[in-house]
Amino acid sequence: DAGVIQSPRHEVTEMGQEVTLRCKPISGHDYLFWYRQTMMRGLELLIYFNNNVPIDDSGMPEDRFSAKMPNASFSTLKIQPSEPRDSAVYFCASSFQGQKGANTGELFFGEGSRLTVL
Amino acid sequence: SQQGEEDPQALSIQEGENATMNCSYKTSINNLQWYRQNSGRGLVHLILIRSNEREKHSGRLRVTLDTSKKSSSLLITASRAADTASYFCATDGNQFYFGTGTSLTVIP
Repeated sequence: DAGVIQSPRHEVTEMGQEVTLRCKPISGHDYLFWYRQTMMRGLELLIYFNNNVPIDDSGMPEDRFSAKMPNASFSTLKIQPSEPRDSAVYFCASSFQGQKGANTGELFFGEGSRLTVL
Repeated sequence: SQQGEEDPQALSIQEGENATMNCSYKTSINNLQWYRQNSGRGLVHLILIRSNEREKHSGRLRVTLDTSKKSSSLLITASRAADTASYFCATDGNQFYFGTGTSLTVIP
């Protein structure tokens, strides 16, 4: 498997523009996570899905952020409109838990999408 | 929050020395994991220790867990320049919470 694939790797946009980040998890994984990483705040969990269903989006900073997972092989994180303070590296990660219940397994991360909002 | 907190924030050592990083967390866990992040890359899983385990080894890595103190440590023995990276602990639940990481620099 190619691992978790994120696109774009780098995005530079102007304030007010819409940004869409994409993630393809590892085939067969049933959990998908979106994280944001900044120097000031470290790694923040934004939202996670189980079997394509959003479970907890309490980490999503504002209504400007939205995430979808229309099928098991694709997820998007959208920011609209974008602001300079959204500049960060956004990571997608996936894991497989099956019937184990609580998510206790290893997370596989993508290489991240570095977003710069001017 | 269940967020883990690593200590120290930064560590600089000479190649061949041992590096020890600590992690503290706030609530009960099923397991604790350590991850490594090279500059500009995604995180990579290093080792998982379950709540009923006290110590675990993997190559040059040694992890300890003290659930009574809600703390864990990661020891890297005989460090190499290639070990230069940031190291994070993560506690479980239904979601994973990461600390702010320890930045390790191994000087050749």
